[in-house]
Amino acid sequence: AQRVTQPEKLLSVFKGAPVELKCNYSYSGSPELFWYVQYSRQRLQLLLRHISRESIKGFTADLNKGETSFHLKKPFAQEEDSAMYYCALSGPSGSRLTFGEGTQLTVNP
Amino acid sequence: NAGVTQTPKFRILKIGQSMTLQCTQDMNHNYMYWYRQDPGMGLKLIYYSVGAGITDKGEVPNGYNVSRSTTEDFPLRLELAAPSQTSVYFCASKGQGPYEQYFGPGTRLTVT
Repeated sequence: AQRVTQPEKLLSVFKGAPVELKCNYSYSGSPELFWYVQYSRQRLQLLLRHISRESIKGFTADLNKGETSFHLKKPFAQEEDSAMYYCALSGPSGSRLTFGEGTQLTVNP
Repeated sequence: NAGVTQTPKFRILKIGQSMTLQCTQDMNHNYMYWYRQDPGMGLKLIYYSVGAGITDKGEVPNGYNVSRSTTEDFPLRLELAAPSQTSVYFCASKGQGPYEQYFGPGTRLTVT
């Protein structure tokens, strides 16, 4: 069975500090990993996915198959980064996503 | 494109009532999904569809039904509302392949 774990429900940092949101997964095969973000009063939207290897809004995430992790990082957090972040996993066909429980990030001024 | 639209935005139901949550997408996506979002629980998949006429259960299908008669529409039916169905419901759609799911704005449902 596939599973995604985000160990921190809440994460609070100060503006300009580095931030790392943790995501661990279990999957027997080659997974596709995603980070979705939900800003206050807005719908969920894709932040980034590992296959595109992009940096979006200063965020990056590296898939570590040895540690089965896909942590989200940003070197200098901004107040507008405050949001709920979800890590998600799918199989190669991408027909279904399994979401983690989410991490609420608060960036304080 | 309007993307994924959902109606209503909010609804309060009494226990035992029924209702249908509407979802429409205008991106000609084959895949459509219904999730529920509960605090601290993330998103749980209720039902999904890989194309018109095809639906399948997700992780938490009990108490819900769906149909997919057209590519655009994927309504979610609650037959006998229970307090445990109080949640925020999101519809999403996706094209072919391991690509981005596009989400609707959500429906906040309270059952009392």
